[in-house]
Amino acid sequence: ELKVEQNPLFLSMQEGKNYTIYCNYSTTSDRLYWYRQDPGKSLESLFVLLSNGAVKQEGRLMASLDTKARLSTLHITAAVHDLSATYFCAVRDRDDKIIFGKGTRLHILP
Amino acid sequence: EAGVVQSPRYKIIEKKQPVAFWCNPISGHNTLYWYRQNLGQGPELLIRYENEEAVDDSQLPKDRFSAERLKGVDSTLKIQPAELGDSAVYLCASSQDRVGYTFGSGTRLTVV
Repeated sequence: ELKVEQNPLFLSMQEGKNYTIYCNYSTTSDRLYWYRQDPGKSLESLFVLLSNGAVKQEGRLMASLDTKARLSTLHITAAVHDLSATYFCAVRDRDDKIIFGKGTRLHILP
Repeated sequence: EAGVVQSPRYKIIEKKQPVAFWCNPISGHNTLYWYRQNLGQGPELLIRYENEEAVDDSQLPKDRFSAERLKGVDSTLKIQPAELGDSAVYLCASSQDRVGYTFGSGTRLTVV
């Protein structure tokens, strides 16, 4: 059974700083997703990573995938308050189910 | 283009009562999912449809939960009877190509 682990689960950081969220998964997969969720809101798709070595960037967020290490990272550059949210990593298993991690609650202090 | 539409947004019911949630996916999206998200957790899949066929309902607690997808478009998820532990946000998602997934705003259920 595919398991997805994110760390850290909680992160409080200062504006302007850089940080990385890690996502490990337990079995081979060909698709990894990053979502953002604001309190009381639904999930907003950020990135879809489909191949080993894939790197995608949008604004201050950059996601990468290492399928051999079963690891994805979401890097935040020069954080701003608007990026405060919960970030979920999700991985597709061989039965075509999307399995989510527990999420990383990010709080960016002004 | 309208996104995935869910209703109601909020529902409060007493335990042992029935409740139903409705989802209208994005037009042309053949794949539809129902997820449950407990507080502070990631979403967990309940059921997946390809058109009108439920292709994966292994995570659906079938003693009290049921779902249907009429004519391969709209879908309803029902709980009867509801229990306190069913309090959660129920999310619907749809996909055209099973690469990108779009989530609805969810229904927040509180069972008292």
